[in-house]
Amino acid sequence: AQTVTQSQPEMSVQEAETVTLSCTYDTSENNYYLFWYKQPPSRQMILVIRQEAYKQQNATENRFSVNFQKAAKSFSLKISDSQLGDTAMYFCAFMKLGNNDMRFGAGTRLTVKP
Amino acid sequence: GAGVSQTPSNKVTEKGKYVELRCDPISGHTALYWYRQSLGQGPEFLIYFQGTGAADDSGLPNDRFFAVRPEGSVSTLKIQRTERGDSAVYLCASSPSDPANYGYTFGSGTRLTVV
Repeated sequence: AQTVTQSQPEMSVQEAETVTLSCTYDTSENNYYLFWYKQPPSRQMILVIRQEAYKQQNATENRFSVNFQKAAKSFSLKISDSQLGDTAMYFCAFMKLGNNDMRFGAGTRLTVKP
Repeated sequence: GAGVSQTPSNKVTEKGKYVELRCDPISGHTALYWYRQSLGQGPEFLIYFQGTGAADDSGLPNDRFFAVRPEGSVSTLKIQRTERGDSAVYLCASSPSDPANYGYTFGSGTRLTVV
């Protein structure tokens, strides 16, 4: 079974600064996908960024980027130029290739302070 | 529809009662997923459908929980003899048959409170 660990229950950052959220996972698989989801108070989970394990290049989406370290089984999320609207719960998730069920970590609550 | 719709958004029920939670996925999405999210936790997998059939129901906690998707579109999660420990947000998501490229699209969930 795959497990996803987010070791930071809460983080805070000043507006316009950069913050990094940590995620590690445990798997014996070689091919898989990793995701970061954002969950604002509205409860709807929103996909932030995804990474294929077979790609060495780190994924980037505007202000969001990842640091994917496959050997270390680490997948951290960097948010640059933090905005007040980034305040939310952030969940790291793992999905094995060919298996549709996605497994989530416990989440990190991020607060962006003005 | 434009997004995944879940109804009701909130449900309060008495211990021992039966409840049904509804999920209306994005049109054309063949896969549909149910997750349960307890306070302060990440979503916990319950079941997923590929078309009308349950492809994996290994996350259902016990036989009081059951889900159907009779026409391959709308799904209903059914909970019998509810217990206070069933209180949580129940999230539904849908995706194309292979979600690897786009992940899931989630609804806003149903908050179930058992009193």
